[in-house]
Amino acid sequence: GDSVTQMEGPVTLSEEAFLTINCTYTATGYPSLFWYVQYPGEGLQLLLKATKADDKGSNKGFEATYRKETTSFHLEKGSVQVSDSAVYFCALPSGGSYIPTFGRGTSLIVHP
Amino acid sequence: NAGVTQTPKFQVLKTGQSMTLQCAQDMNHEYMSWYRQDPGMGLRLIHYSVGAGITDQGEVPNGYNVSRSTTEDFPLRLLSAAPSQTSVYFCASSKGLTGNTIYFGEGSWLTVV
Repeated sequence: GDSVTQMEGPVTLSEEAFLTINCTYTATGYPSLFWYVQYPGEGLQLLLKATKADDKGSNKGFEATYRKETTSFHLEKGSVQVSDSAVYFCALPSGGSYIPTFGRGTSLIVHP
Repeated sequence: NAGVTQTPKFQVLKTGQSMTLQCAQDMNHEYMSWYRQDPGMGLRLIHYSVGAGITDQGEVPNGYNVSRSTTEDFPLRLLSAAPSQTSVYFCASSKGLTGNTIYFGEGSWLTVV
């Protein structure tokens, strides 16, 4: 079945450091891919998405490129801020099903 | 711009009590679902619905009931609360089957003592 594997956290960085959170997936076909972010005390919200291979999703300085050849959708940001501290979830819609698949989530902690 | 609205935000229950978590969305979304989030476990799907009158079980349905009498509302009922149901609960909705953005409520923090 479909699955998503994210790197385990927490990831702890200093402000202005470079961020990468790895995400790889197993899926039938070429689904859309998503990154969601959960700020403390809130629900998840869409951060960015890509709908086909080689697409790059971007938002709020974050980027992720849909790599079909490596079945990956790694999240990157060139310079993180304290306000980026949150939990990040990689996700894909499960083909033929109404049930999306979420990764376990990666906690990011950014220190001033 | 309400989106997905959950109530209550916080609740403390005694073991054996029942309660209903309310969820409403104003986006005319067909798909609605309930998740629970526990430390180290990620999101786990409890129940979901693909339209009014249609519900189905997710990964962890035991101890919970749902109904979908309207497109807008999808309440989650705890029949007899147990300490293992202490968790954060999220309602979510999306339009259509796959590839669409999922919108989440802000969460309901439930403690069972």
